[in-house]
Amino acid sequence: GAVVSQHPSWVICKSGTSVKIECRSLDFQATTMFWYRQFPKQSLMLMATSNEGSKATYEQGVEKDKFLINHASLTLSTLTVTSAHPEDSSFYICSANPGRSSYEQYFGPGTRLTVT
Amino acid sequence: AQSVTQLDSHVSVSEGTPVLLRCNYSSSYSPSLFWYVQHPNKGLQLLLKYTSAATLVKGINGFEAEFKKSETSFHLTKPSAHMSDAAEYFCVVRVFGNEKLTFGTGTRLTIIP
Repeated sequence: GAVVSQHPSWVICKSGTSVKIECRSLDFQATTMFWYRQFPKQSLMLMATSNEGSKATYEQGVEKDKFLINHASLTLSTLTVTSAHPEDSSFYICSANPGRSSYEQYFGPGTRLTVT
Repeated sequence: AQSVTQLDSHVSVSEGTPVLLRCNYSSSYSPSLFWYVQHPNKGLQLLLKYTSAATLVKGINGFEAEFKKSETSFHLTKPSAHMSDAAEYFCVVRVFGNEKLTFGTGTRLTIIP
């Protein structure tokens, strides 16, 4: 149980275009989902926290107009990278919290974005 | 604020020998501590977690970690390394009542045949 999927697993897009990444909790309802960014050979940096039905909370330094997060249901959150640039190329990972008291997060497999 | 420091960015051990990956934490409140493993181009997998129960925590694949409050440490160990253990390992802290996770910088484990 507690499986989180991401789609697509990898995507290549041209500079200036937008790309949407989906994060789904497959067998549980996620009250909270998190989006992380990981640069090559580096740690995960939390970008934002999203709660179903409300606006996402962004970490300091993350542009909310560039990284649009929508948490439309208890099983789906989306991250849209708008007007992508090569420096947005990264590995994006989501996680989901089923809301139990343990606050345990289950991670998706990640999406590798390459902007050309 | 909480933080974790992984003392080694890279550890190499021979297959069949013990593994020790070091982690120190800093937290104003009672922390929960986790170790995650990430294989190349894969998502993170939870190895084990400490949440104020037993201080010696056993995880998957033969890994274990001991929470030492006096030393503010949560080192990850395994008695005998296997080739499949080669991966990136992250020590992670969460403060009680806060959902956010803070990741260490990671330790790359290399297994020598």
